[in-house]
Amino acid sequence: EAQVTQNPRYLITVTGKKLTVTCSQNMNHEYMSWYRQDPGLGLRQIYYSMNVEVTDKGDVPEGYKVSRKEKRNFPLILESPSPNQTSLYFCASSFGGRSTEAFFGQGTRLTVV
Amino acid sequence: GENVEQHPSTLSVQEGDSAVIKCTYSDSASNYFPWYKQELGKGPQLIIDIRSNVGEKKDQRIAVTLNKTAKHFSLHITETQPEDSAVYFCAAASGNTPLVFGKGTRLSVIA
Repeated sequence: EAQVTQNPRYLITVTGKKLTVTCSQNMNHEYMSWYRQDPGLGLRQIYYSMNVEVTDKGDVPEGYKVSRKEKRNFPLILESPSPNQTSLYFCASSFGGRSTEAFFGQGTRLTVV
Repeated sequence: GENVEQHPSTLSVQEGDSAVIKCTYSDSASNYFPWYKQELGKGPQLIIDIRSNVGEKKDQRIAVTLNKTAKHFSLHITETQPEDSAVYFCAAASGNTPLVFGKGTRLSVIA
């Protein structure tokens, strides 16, 4: 089954404790991205990757890091989480890049206390 | 950069009625306009999309229209059903810019 898998689904952590949210897709997609969803703000792009070893900032990259060492995986790293990073996070992938259908994961609800 | 405005933010309709959600975009270079449906506890899922060389597209009860001159596009859902209740997002993109989403519309279909 074609899918984008995120882990964990739920995470509560404390301020400053490094964490990683994993994302994996089995569709051989080149383009992957991370979004955060906040009430009243919709979906905002954090980082994206057009291929292995190629990453770039989205609209709200501050406080986040990503890596793309393999085509299928695109982890999101929070080196020192803060309460304003409490949000619902989505990973997405697509075949042809920006102007093609994006497939989203189930989401990761992160709470930073 | 691109800016996408979406209205209304909430919409309630009676079952069987039609629902219309409207979006405007700012970048005339945008050429891809998808609509996503997000059900509770799930990620957004594409329901229909349209490209700038087409004015209208239909898929059963769902249709999307695009007015490039006015830079707006709309989602039309006819004969609404309770399972249509969800949050809907419009988005715009071009080959050079990533998807930019509207803020979403929460649609409630009342049985």
